[in-house]
Amino acid sequence: NAGVTQTPKFQVLKTGQSMTLQCAQDMNHEYMSWYRQDPGMGLRLIHYSVGAGITDQGEVPNGYNVSRSTTEDFPLRLLSAAPSQTSVYFCASSQQVNYGYTFGSGTRLTVV
Amino acid sequence: ILNVEQSPQSLHVQEGDSTNFTCSFPSSNFYALHWYRWETAKSPEALFVMTLNGDEKKKGRISATLNTKEGYSYLYIKGSQPEDSATYLCAHDQTGANNLFFGTGTRLTVIP
Repeated sequence: NAGVTQTPKFQVLKTGQSMTLQCAQDMNHEYMSWYRQDPGMGLRLIHYSVGAGITDQGEVPNGYNVSRSTTEDFPLRLLSAAPSQTSVYFCASSQQVNYGYTFGSGTRLTVV
Repeated sequence: ILNVEQSPQSLHVQEGDSTNFTCSFPSSNFYALHWYRWETAKSPEALFVMTLNGDEKKKGRISATLNTKEGYSYLYIKGSQPEDSATYLCAHDQTGANNLFFGTGTRLTVIP
């Protein structure tokens, strides 16, 4: 099993550009989430999904958009990149509620 | 959004020492408490998920306890080894939808 696959691993964007961070899991997990990791702060939840077709906002959703058209994929879209979105982004999936999350390897994004 | 606090922020122990750290969380709206281990250059890895007051979990030399009434959890490592060096994260599910609010972690260094 590949687990949770995130692409790309590294990305540099210019302010105002848009892009999509890809996340795919092959474990048939219902729950998927996107987190960002910033120095001195805990992982912060951006958006989450409890199943295909269902998404909702987390703690820091502004400037990001998600969709969940299949169980496997949960892309994160940056609509108009800002320097404040420079961060490491992690996608994670979980089989069901009260199960631990499996994390992807992360995407390091720099916005200049 | 209610804070999850972890202490200490970091600690160094000698190989063979036993150690423990604390995770504090709001006792209201409790659904689950997660512990993760995060090694440098890797992704967080789930250790335990605890849901009931008084829960105790064990995995090898690592164990955890949960007190939901007073809002804390302890993680214990018995006979620390250099390979235990990592950041240990706790996360609180306040919504029942497996949405996690993470603490900033305790960074453990085990000195050979």
